[in-house]
Amino acid sequence: AQSVSQHNHHVILSEAASLELGCNYSYGGTVNLFWYVQYPGQHLQLLLKYFSGDPLVKGIKGFEAEFIKSKFSFNLRKPSVQWSDTAEYFCAVNALTGGGNKLTFGTGTQLKVEL
Amino acid sequence: KAGVTQTPRYLIKTRGQQVTLSCSPISGHRSVSWYQQTPGQGLQFLFEYFSETQRNKGNFPGRFSGRQFSNSRSEMNVSTLELGDSALYLCASSLETRAYEQYFGPGTRLTVT
Repeated sequence: AQSVSQHNHHVILSEAASLELGCNYSYGGTVNLFWYVQYPGQHLQLLLKYFSGDPLVKGIKGFEAEFIKSKFSFNLRKPSVQWSDTAEYFCAVNALTGGGNKLTFGTGTQLKVEL
Repeated sequence: KAGVTQTPRYLIKTRGQQVTLSCSPISGHRSVSWYQQTPGQGLQFLFEYFSETQRNKGNFPGRFSGRQFSNSRSEMNVSTLELGDSALYLCASSLETRAYEQYFGPGTRLTVT
């Protein structure tokens, strides 16, 4: 069974600082990878996805992630965070064994951006 | 286009009762998945329905079941509720594309007393 590890549970940054959130997964086959964000009081929103092609993917709000197959990693980055980026971030993997959806989520990273 | 809608948004039940939650996917989405979110276990996959058939299943007991209707709307049922079933139940829908990107609803907050 696949698993997803997010290394940082809580991250506190000042505005304009750079962000990198780690995500590693364990599964040797073909995967689709996702980052979701949950802003306070709101539901999960898709930030970005990777399913094939260029391993550097860009998402909404200036976020990007890089898929490194040899390291089983899909780290999320943003060059300059804003206060409005305060939220919980989830990495998720869909292992495409039999088709369809079966997302495995990491435990989440709570990001707090201070003014 | 309207997003994924879930009803009810909040529910309080007593141990031993059963509960049914409803989910309406985004128009045109035929896949509906259910997840349980708790502070201790995080987000866990329950099951996925596609074209009225359960296509994938997570590791939950048989008390958790679901179904999907011909209009892609889905319901999830939990029988013989336990205190540990208190959670946010999320529904997500997706198109049948290689990306399988899922869009989540606001969830139903279930409290079991």
